[in-house]
Amino acid sequence: GAVVSQHPSWVICKSGTSVKIECRSLDFQATTMFWYRQFPKQSLMLMATSNEGSKATYEQGVEKDKFLINHASLTLSTLTVTSAHPEDSSFYICSARKTGVSNQPQHFGDGTRLSIL
Amino acid sequence: AQTVTQSQPEMSVQEAETVTLSCTYDTSESDYYLFWYKQPPSRQMILVIRQEAYKQQNATENRFSVNFQKAAKSFSLKISDSQLGDAAMYFCAYRRAYSGGGADGLTFGKGTHLIIQP
Repeated sequence: GAVVSQHPSWVICKSGTSVKIECRSLDFQATTMFWYRQFPKQSLMLMATSNEGSKATYEQGVEKDKFLINHASLTLSTLTVTSAHPEDSSFYICSARKTGVSNQPQHFGDGTRLSIL
Repeated sequence: AQTVTQSQPEMSVQEAETVTLSCTYDTSESDYYLFWYKQPPSRQMILVIRQEAYKQQNATENRFSVNFQKAAKSFSLKISDSQLGDAAMYFCAYRRAYSGGGADGLTFGKGTHLIIQP
């Protein structure tokens, strides 16, 4: 149980386009999901916390207009990288925790490798 | 703000031997969770072990155990009988306990690259 699906796993697109990444909790409800970014050979950095039915909370230094987050249901959060540029190329990973269970660990998706040409 | 420090960028160990990965953290919270995650080349994040700060007993999962020293803010991971499949990046992570006022994401250390020599 506790599976998180992330799609797509790899995307290559031209500079200036927008890219949407989906994060789904397949067998549990998640009021809160998290989005992380990982540059090559570096650690994961929390970008934002996605809250179902309300606005996302962004970490300091993360542009909210650049990284649009929508959490329209208890099982789906999306991250849209708008007007992507080569410096946005990175590995993006989402995670989710079961609603109402505070001591549960986060379950991670398999990540999305984003390459902007 | 909380910080997590892993001072060993890379560690190497012979197969079947024991290795310890270090992690220290800084926080003003009294209640929190600590985790060790494994990230193989596939980049999938795999939970290895976790520790609740209010528990004095060190967590253990088969060949993996931790040495949690709350006063020293230290949380090391010991891998016994190392296997080739243990080779990966290992990240130490922190999360404050859910207080009802909002959920917090994980704060990760920079990671330790573990090499297993056959």
